[in-house]
Amino acid sequence: SQTIHQWPATLVQPVGSPLSLECTVEGTSNPNLYWYRQAAGRGLQLLFYSVGIGQISSEVPQNLSASRPQDRQFILSSKKLLLSDSGFYLCAWSVRLLGGYEQYFGPGTRLTVT
Amino acid sequence: EDKVVQSPLSLVVHEGDTVTLNCSYEVTNFRSLLWYKQEKKAPTFLFMLTSSGIEKKSGRLSSILDKKELFSILNITATQTGDSAVYLCAVDLNAGNNRKLIWGLGTSLAVNP
Repeated sequence: SQTIHQWPATLVQPVGSPLSLECTVEGTSNPNLYWYRQAAGRGLQLLFYSVGIGQISSEVPQNLSASRPQDRQFILSSKKLLLSDSGFYLCAWSVRLLGGYEQYFGPGTRLTVT
Repeated sequence: EDKVVQSPLSLVVHEGDTVTLNCSYEVTNFRSLLWYKQEKKAPTFLFMLTSSGIEKKSGRLSSILDKKELFSILNITATQTGDSAVYLCAVDLNAGNNRKLIWGLGTSLAVNP
């Protein structure tokens, strides 16, 4: 069966510090991968998605970046965090099923920028 | 602009009540509509709907899609405190390689004992 891992679960970082969040998927190959941010427990905002190694699409211009160095690995980064980067970061994967792309989420990382 | 609107934004009921959550959408190239339940952490998948009028059912939860009127409802019967969560609706667009979901803001459901 497929599983998705994210780490760390919780992170407190000062403004201006770098960020690296990692997401890995097991039990599937060539998944579509997604990074979302959720503020105040509502409203999933799509940040990046990837349909393959090295292929990244950015949805929202900001100081975050994403990379996919391996088929089942997706990394979210920042060189300098802002206070507004605080939130709940979710990684998700999908494989096309009949009729649509059902997405499965990792456990999430709660980031607080102080 | 593609959008998904959920209503109500929040709802408080008593155990045993039946609730109906709404999700309406305006998108180009609709492919499917999905419902998720989010408790304290990551959303968990409930249903995917692609055809009008066919009810999906799982225990006390059921959902149906109306592609003519562009909405879906999620019903929960005999609610329990464990049903308290944010219920998210998302629409999957049929847009070639643009593989993403358009999300609603969710309905926050609180079930009181």
